[in-house]
Amino acid sequence: SQTIHQWPATLVQPVGSPLSLECTVEGTSNPNLYWYRQAAGRGLQLLFYSVGIGQISSEVPQNLSASRPQDRQFILSSKKLLLSDSGFYLCAWSRPDRGNQPQHFGDGTRLSIL
Amino acid sequence: SQKIEQNSEALNIQEGKTATLTCNYTNYSPAYLQWYRQDPGRGPVFLLLIRENEKEKRKERLKVTFDTTLKQSLFHITASQPADSATYLCALDSTGGFKTIFGAGTRLFVKA
Repeated sequence: SQTIHQWPATLVQPVGSPLSLECTVEGTSNPNLYWYRQAAGRGLQLLFYSVGIGQISSEVPQNLSASRPQDRQFILSSKKLLLSDSGFYLCAWSRPDRGNQPQHFGDGTRLSIL
Repeated sequence: SQKIEQNSEALNIQEGKTATLTCNYTNYSPAYLQWYRQDPGRGPVFLLLIRENEKEKRKERLKVTFDTTLKQSLFHITASQPADSATYLCALDSTGGFKTIFGAGTRLFVKA
């Protein structure tokens, strides 16, 4: 069966510090991978998605970036965090078919910027 | 712009009753509509998917309807239980796209 791991579960970082959140998927090949941010009381905001190694599509201009160095590894990064980067970050995967595919989420990282 | 609306007010119901949650959308023609459950501090979990040419889909105590004329989906939980208490998210998807749009969700409380 497929599993998705996301870490850390919680993170407290000072403004201006770098960020690296990692997500790995097991039990499937060539998944579509996604990074979302969820603000309290709001829907999930798609940040990045990837259909293959090294292929990243950005949905929202911001100081975050994503990379996919391996088939089942997705990394969210920032060189300098802003207060507005606080939130709940979720990684997800889906089967490599367009549309009609549910997404499977990790348990998220609660990021607090001080 | 595309918009999904779910009732932001929490829904409180008694155990054993049917819970009905609403998802309305505008400026969008989704090919698929999905419902997810999210518990506090956890990621959403997929429940059901319904296609634009399907009017209704069922899975155990869950039932989803999809009315593309009204631009609305209804999500029903019959014989509700306290364990059904969670936030339920509606999500829309277009054919050939990766950009699933999620609603903010409706919080459901089922009282014993």
